Amino acid sequence: DTAVSQTPKYLVTQMGNDKSIKCEQNLGHDTMYWYKQDSKKFLKIMFSYNNKELIINETVPNRFSPKSPDKAHLNLHINSLELGDSAVYFCASSKGLATDTQYFGPGTRLTVL
Amino acid sequence: AQSVAQPEDQVNVAEGNPLTVKCTYSVSGNPYLFWYVQYPNRGLQFLLKYITGDNLVKGSYGFEAEFNKSQTSFHLKKPSALVSDSALYFCAVRDLETGTASKLTFGTGTRLQVTL
Repeated sequence: DTAVSQTPKYLVTQMGNDKSIKCEQNLGHDTMYWYKQDSKKFLKIMFSYNNKELIINETVPNRFSPKSPDKAHLNLHINSLELGDSAVYFCASSKGLATDTQYFGPGTRLTVL
Repeated sequence: AQSVAQPEDQVNVAEGNPLTVKCTYSVSGNPYLFWYVQYPNRGLQFLLKYITGDNLVKGSYGFEAEFNKSQTSFHLKKPSALVSDSALYFCAVRDLETGTASKLTFGTGTRLQVTL
C-alpha cells in the first residue's frame, strides 16, 4: 500500500550513459514533482506536473527530461550522465497545488562513476 | 523571491527536554509553511503545516510550530524530546501570491540529535 514509490532505489552507472527513474503514486493526486537532494542534503525542485501538464521547470540541464504518461506516473530520464548528477532524486505528489501537502517517495540514490 | 533560513545546522538536546528547531522565511505575499522530517536513507515525511488561522499548529509525533508574522518565523517545537526524534528537519515555504506555478522552497535542514 505504498503511497509514492520509486524504482530503482539505487542506480550506479558510468558517465555518458542514459538512465531512467520511475515514480508511481496511488493516492489519486493530480500533481507530481521531482526533487534533487545533493550530498549536503540541500533539496531543490526540478519539475512539477499537474494533470500531466508541465507547470514548473527549474533551471535544469536539458539532459533531464520528465515524462508523465498519466496522472499516476512521472518518470525522469537522464541523458549523457555526468559526475555532478550523483545525488538522491525524490519524487513527490500532492492533490492540488498551493496549500496541499506533498508526499515523498523513498528516493533513488544515483551514483555516476 | 521566496526563501527559507534554518540558522542551525545541528541542534542537540537531552531526552525529556524541550526542543526548538528554528525557521525564518521571506515571501512577497502570504506564506504557506511546512515542516518535514527525514530519517536516514528515507524520504521526507510531512509533520505539519500552516495555511491560515490559529498561529499554533499541532502536527504528528507531538510536534507543534508557531507562526509569527511579525518575526517571519515558524519554529518547530516539542515539549519533551525522544531519542527517536533524532533526524533531519526541513522547513519549507510556498508563496501564495505567485499562483499555480508557485514552488515549495526548502531550507537547508537542521539535524536534531537527542541523547540519553
